[in-house]
Amino acid sequence: DSGVTQTPKHLITATGQRVTLRCSPRSGDLSVYWYQQSLDQGLQFLIQYYNGEERAKGNILERFSAQQFPDLHSELNLSSLELGDSALYFCASSAGLTSYNEQFFGPGTRLTVL
Amino acid sequence: GQQVMQIPQYQHVQEGEDFTTYCNSSTTLSNIQWYKQRPGGHPVFLIQLVKSGEVKKQKRLTFQFGEAKKNSSLHITATQTTDVGTYFCAAGTTMNTGFQKLVFGTGTRLLVSP
Repeated sequence: DSGVTQTPKHLITATGQRVTLRCSPRSGDLSVYWYQQSLDQGLQFLIQYYNGEERAKGNILERFSAQQFPDLHSELNLSSLELGDSALYFCASSAGLTSYNEQFFGPGTRLTVL
Repeated sequence: GQQVMQIPQYQHVQEGEDFTTYCNSSTTLSNIQWYKQRPGGHPVFLIQLVKSGEVKKQKRLTFQFGEAKKNSSLHITATQTTDVGTYFCAAGTTMNTGFQKLVFGTGTRLLVSP
């Protein structure tokens, strides 16, 4: 158990819909990262937050947005969903925001768009 | 954006054989981390390398950081079925702004047959 929690575990929805994925980081961690992993693919970095502020953006679509709240939990919002958005979405947290900080991954949310 | 390539993409070995995955970057890295993702699981941190030419061992796993800090390798001696999974390197780079980020490699999927 990494200490990072993600809800829901599974989500099935239809094209065009909007969903929200939630992540609670490890206690004390200030950085939250979101990754997308399609079937048998690598980890695509989406976005990073540190102590409530956006710090880095990766290949995140304009239909996707995220935020980190004062209690440090984070939400990833996916809208106008397409079939290709079906994937495993991981949240990770780390104590700091440098590349030297180990990232702790949550169990992931599996999104299926029908 | 920067890409971190891993080779091979996939390897299938017999239990007891050795396995090596290589991680290559076109730019000099500040550090490198290795993660393992078991089938159906989430990435889990294995180790971090920081110094040029650094070698670290964890039981049957040997990690190396290249002298030029542009590549790294993970070698597993006498593989076991418990080694099955996808191995990711994660390369630390420093942007012009001074901001450091971790870029995950494409991953190597290891399958071990008993």
